Amino acid sequence: ETGVTQSPTHLIKTRGQQVTLRCSSQSGHNTVSWYQQALGQGPQFIFQYYREEENGRGNFPPRFSGLQFPNYSSELNVNALELDDSALYLCASSLNSGRAGELFFGEGSRLTVL
Amino acid sequence: GENVEQHPSTLSVQEGDSAVIKCTYSDSASNYFPWYKQELGKRPQLIIDIRSNVGEKKDQRIAVTLNKTAKHFSLHITETQPEDSAVYFCAASEEGQGAQKLVFGQGTRLTINP
Repeated sequence: ETGVTQSPTHLIKTRGQQVTLRCSSQSGHNTVSWYQQALGQGPQFIFQYYREEENGRGNFPPRFSGLQFPNYSSELNVNALELDDSALYLCASSLNSGRAGELFFGEGSRLTVL
Repeated sequence: GENVEQHPSTLSVQEGDSAVIKCTYSDSASNYFPWYKQELGKRPQLIIDIRSNVGEKKDQRIAVTLNKTAKHFSLHITETQPEDSAVYFCAASEEGQGAQKLVFGQGTRLTINP
């Protein structure tokens, strides 16, 4: 069974740039969620994708957008980067069964915005 | 929206002693409460969860209690071991409402002293 993998693991950008982070779901999972974890804080929900559609969103501006592909992998795109976007971005996959259950997280992509 | 408060932010106990971490939530509609453990530089991993139809759940040295009336839940770790040292996050969500959006607490850094 392949776990959740994310890329890149680390990256540095400057203010105003755009970034794309990628996530491969765990085998058999059809749902992907993205979380932002600032240093010393708990993860914050950005959005969730199920069957290639966004089906839930947290309090993040529209410059945070995403995609889910037919193979259930996913991308997180952030435009017009701000210093406060510096954080660990975690992808989590799960099986949408209509019942809450375990989220399987990746190791994360650490983004630094200068 | 839901808000989860977690205490304490840091906790240091002697090996073999018990550790207790407490969380409160604000939204009475929340009905699913997982706990995640995050070791330094690693991904969060589910260690135990509880649904609102039960008051307590145990798994070996780990137990979680839930008081729906008071809107608080707690993690209890008995006979602590050095490998229990990590950051622990509580979370809450409302099951069955589309996206599984977990609202996390701020985290508790647990240190087990030998």
